[in-house]
Amino acid sequence: HSVLTQPPSASGPPGQRVTISCSGNSSNIGRNYVYWYQQLPEKAPKLLIYRNSQRSSGAPDRFSGSKSGTSASLAISGLRSEDEADYYCATWDNSLTALFGGGTKLTVL
Amino acid sequence: EVQLVQSGAEVREPGESLKISCKASGYSFTTNWIGWVRQLPGKGLEWMGAIFPDDSDTRYSPSFQGQVTISADKSLNTAYLQWTSLKASDSALYYCARRSDASLDYWGQGTLVTVSS
Repeated sequence: HSVLTQPPSASGPPGQRVTISCSGNSSNIGRNYVYWYQQLPEKAPKLLIYRNSQRSSGAPDRFSGSKSGTSASLAISGLRSEDEADYYCATWDNSLTALFGGGTKLTVL
Repeated sequence: EVQLVQSGAEVREPGESLKISCKASGYSFTTNWIGWVRQLPGKGLEWMGAIFPDDSDTRYSPSFQGQVTISADKSLNTAYLQWTSLKASDSALYYCARRSDASLDYWGQGTLVTVSS
């Protein structure tokens, strides 16, 4: 079981706004930045959001991240077919170990 | 341009040893941690550990401590992930990734390891 909890799936029609949640605790998300990675089918993961809400270079501004307390969320507005992918939240513990969420499979209906 | 290029797919029998590689280019190899991530078939990402190539400081996730060895060769700008005795359960896709300011900002293309008799 992953330390960070994500819903296994999310979906929405093109153009809609979708939010993916990521829940942790005071020892992980509560005291560290949250990162989001996008993994397109059959591809390596790619950094999407860093430091809770900063978009990586190349990430469309349709993607936004936020954090509050021990939870974080990724929002995707104006959903497009090319957004269909697995999304992972991540943070770090105190010993340089990355903690990943279980991943959320986003389907564009 | 930063690139991490991993070695090709491998097929081994249980009990065999294996070393896969991750060659870095486009930045100073010794200034960033390189991590390894496992992805079991159809599953999520699991952190295995990381190495700081400048001094070979290595940190393992508790789940992988003693199961694998992470190393690096500064002269070759290459990081490695090694097994001494593979099990069928080691069959997975393995990624290396560069850690920069706590982001995993560049990833290798992945190496598929298949362990089967």
